Amino acid sequence: GAVVSQHPSRVICKSGTSVKIECRSLDFQATTMFWYRQFPKKSLMLMATSNEGSKATYEQGVEKDKFLINHASLTLSTLTVTSAHPEDSSFYICSARTEAGESDTQYFGPGTRLTVL
Amino acid sequence: GQNIDQPTEMTATEGAIVQINCTYQTSGFNGLFWYQQHAGEAPTFLSYNVLDGLEEKGRFSSFLSRSKGYSYLLLKELQMKDSASYLCAAMDSNYQLIWGAGTKLIIKP
Repeated sequence: GAVVSQHPSRVICKSGTSVKIECRSLDFQATTMFWYRQFPKKSLMLMATSNEGSKATYEQGVEKDKFLINHASLTLSTLTVTSAHPEDSSFYICSARTEAGESDTQYFGPGTRLTVL
Repeated sequence: GQNIDQPTEMTATEGAIVQINCTYQTSGFNGLFWYQQHAGEAPTFLSYNVLDGLEEKGRFSSFLSRSKGYSYLLLKELQMKDSASYLCAAMDSNYQLIWGAGTKLIIKP
């Protein structure tokens, strides 16, 4: 089946630094990628939707200047957490959607655990 | 390798009970999650099991057997609004989520 990878899987950084998380669709082209944030035992909170070659669409309450999203190709989207603070510590999950033929399927990545000290 | 298996699609009748199975193979285990996802929406958390047994939460229950690498989600008194995809995800020893492909549940009147 389709595979979505994230890198890094875990990152620890100091407060005030920036962290970049990559999301790749390994064997398919993703028309759309999504970035989620997960709080413990909570639903995935959609942060933004990114389409290749265009600006990301951010959900209400998500700071676009803090969470920079770049969707450079049909297989790669990046999320950069700028000037990270301890409250940004969380589990970030991406997903990629393919619209091959009549199928419209969303595949999830394994997640990136960010800890900000 | 690591993988998760769940049925692609299931059909059930309104008011009935349905069980969605999930089997997993992971490097280490830190719990199993079930999510519900309606088309075009973000997944909604349903349950988290890390110990063997059944956990009941209203109409939904989730069961885990770690020795068998097996979980199921049980939905009772099905309602039309339960028509959705149900995602099973296991967390491995590195706290990475291994996702199933999702089970599309179709509820018929």
